[in-house]
Amino acid sequence: KQEVTQIPAALSVPEGENLVLNCSFTDSAIYNLQWFRQDPGKGLTSLLLIQSSQREQTSGRLNASLDKSSGRSTLYIAASQPGDSATYLCAVNTGTASKLTFGTGTRLQVTL
Amino acid sequence: DTEVTQTPKHLVMGMTNKKSLKCEQHMGHRAMYWYKQKAKKPPELMFVYSYEKLSINESVPSRFSPECPNSSLLNLHLHALQPEDSALYLCASSQEGRNYGYTFGSGTRLTVV
Repeated sequence: KQEVTQIPAALSVPEGENLVLNCSFTDSAIYNLQWFRQDPGKGLTSLLLIQSSQREQTSGRLNASLDKSSGRSTLYIAASQPGDSATYLCAVNTGTASKLTFGTGTRLQVTL
Repeated sequence: DTEVTQTPKHLVMGMTNKKSLKCEQHMGHRAMYWYKQKAKKPPELMFVYSYEKLSINESVPSRFSPECPNSSLLNLHLHALQPEDSALYLCASSQEGRNYGYTFGSGTRLTVV
């Protein structure tokens, strides 16, 4: 059974810092990995999708890497802003059916 | 149109009520999903529809009844719910196949009283 863990569970940083969020998964036989952002009480916004054959994806200040063999992904956020405050979830697509398994999430607060 | 639209945004219902949650997408996605999310927990898969047919039911109680009337619509019919069913219900869609990402709606916040 696929298990996905995110470290740290919570993170508070001052504005302008660069930061790294970590995601690890137990079954390396994934098809892809997706990073989402969730604001309190809201739905999920897709940030980046990395296919199993890819090593990284970039969008603006965000960069996500994938090391499938070691079961790890990182989300790098450059020059953090208060508007980046949210919960960040990684999710892996595995199994015989298209099925996402979510990580436990990292709650990020960026302070002024 | 790159959105998944869910209605209503908020719903309060009694334990004897019958209500429905609605989800709509016009991206041509042929896979649609219902997820349930409790506070401070990750989303948990409930149902998967592929080409308008139910392909996965994650052992969800029968008081939750999904329906996919066409390729753009997904409903979740609710009946005789319990207070512990209060949660954020998320709809998502994707292209069929394993190489595609998911698009989520903004969710319906359900409170059972």
